[in-house]
Amino acid sequence: DAKTTQPPSMDCAEGRAANLPCNHSTISGNEYVYWYRQIHSQGPQYIIHGLKNNETNEMASLIITEDRKSSTLILPHATLRDTAVYYCIGVIKAAGNKLTFGGGTRVLVKP
Amino acid sequence: DTAVSQTPKYLVTQMGNDKSIKCEQNLGHDTMYWYKQDSKKFLKIMFSYNNKELIINETVPNRFSPKSPDKAHLNLHINSLELGDSAVYFCASSQGILNYEQYFGPGTRLTVT
Repeated sequence: DAKTTQPPSMDCAEGRAANLPCNHSTISGNEYVYWYRQIHSQGPQYIIHGLKNNETNEMASLIITEDRKSSTLILPHATLRDTAVYYCIGVIKAAGNKLTFGGGTRVLVKP
Repeated sequence: DTAVSQTPKYLVTQMGNDKSIKCEQNLGHDTMYWYKQDSKKFLKIMFSYNNKELIINETVPNRFSPKSPDKAHLNLHINSLELGDSAVYFCASSQGILNYEQYFGPGTRLTVT
């Protein structure tokens, strides 16, 4: 699985879009990019995942560059409840493979 | 309804004791996991079961023994507890071993004194 690199922390303003970058320059062609978040004192929560195409769901959008070496998670209108640690994870869908959580990005949404 | 539940939420015990943490999911999933999050907040997988069969068994001391009585339950028994076992333990579930959209429980904070 590709090693992913994320900034350790970032702030964003409530109501504005939050753009969370992730570098995965060694990603394999069949490796998916998954995003999770962990709000303080809670279990991790799945957000979104993608392979090549950009993806959008009710929580966020995932933009993957054409060369797949990086991606950006976009929270379109950040709220205070979006304050959490966000994890970008690369994984190949194969039996025995697992999610490997790194340090993530600690996002603080400020009023 | 709680999708993935764990009991107890907090567990304080002394070194050398044996304890169990229970996990139940009502999502109809066939795959369940145990993760450990240490004091530095790193989250690591310990075990995964698919249809009651062990799929992933990371390098975990054999004092830790998972048990899956049915697809909806995955319990974690820990023998001879040590100080280093203090952590938050999360249970999770997914539908299928190739589905990495996992649903996590609220965690069990284990403190060994």
